[in-house]
Amino acid sequence: DTGVSQDPRHKITKRGQNVTFRCDPISEHNRLYWYRQTLGQGPEFLTYFQNEAQLEKSRLLSDRFSAERPKGSFSTLEIQRTEQGDSAMYLCASSPRGWTGELFFGEGSRLTVL
Amino acid sequence: DQQVKQNSPSLSVQEGRISILNCDYTNSMFDYFLWYKKYPAEGPTFLISISSIKDKNEDGRFTVFLNKSAKHLSLHIVPSQPGDSAVYFCAARLNTGNQFYFGTGTSLTVIP
Repeated sequence: DTGVSQDPRHKITKRGQNVTFRCDPISEHNRLYWYRQTLGQGPEFLTYFQNEAQLEKSRLLSDRFSAERPKGSFSTLEIQRTEQGDSAMYLCASSPRGWTGELFFGEGSRLTVL
Repeated sequence: DQQVKQNSPSLSVQEGRISILNCDYTNSMFDYFLWYKKYPAEGPTFLISISSIKDKNEDGRFTVFLNKSAKHLSLHIVPSQPGDSAVYFCAARLNTGNQFYFGTGTSLTVIP
């Protein structure tokens, strides 16, 4: 399967713990996005990378959140000192060089903060 | 501040009939509009898109219409099939970068 891969698929943690999600985009894709989706809502933009450069960040991304894409391939999203309000589905998407208008989404990582 | 709105949370349609899903937006800086389909426990998958310079785009059973003056777009599915049952998200891209804004989704049920 050469689609976008996310790990873990589901994470349950206690409030105050740190969690990290990993995203492996489609190999030729230089653009990578993180979105968050809560129940009954559409995906909300968090951040965007072009190669290894983080070009855009949403105001939703508080200082407890950090994302990296060190070699322009896989990306990690870390949430420090988790809060119950962080419970959501974290979606990663990628798109290729050149504009096609399409984002390729992974299956998401569901975070539950107890 | 919901810049892309889907006001119908759900829609039921008989198999073979037309499904019409609607989407409204507020930001005139959107230059590209997309529809995504989502099944449970899967990520959204791209369905069809339209540039802001066009008013219609067709792909098989799926047609998207854009009315810029009304800031409204719609997705038509004809004929509807049971496999079309899913949540449909409307999305729009800002012309300043790569931020996409999504609506809250419409759950379509096609009844056999």
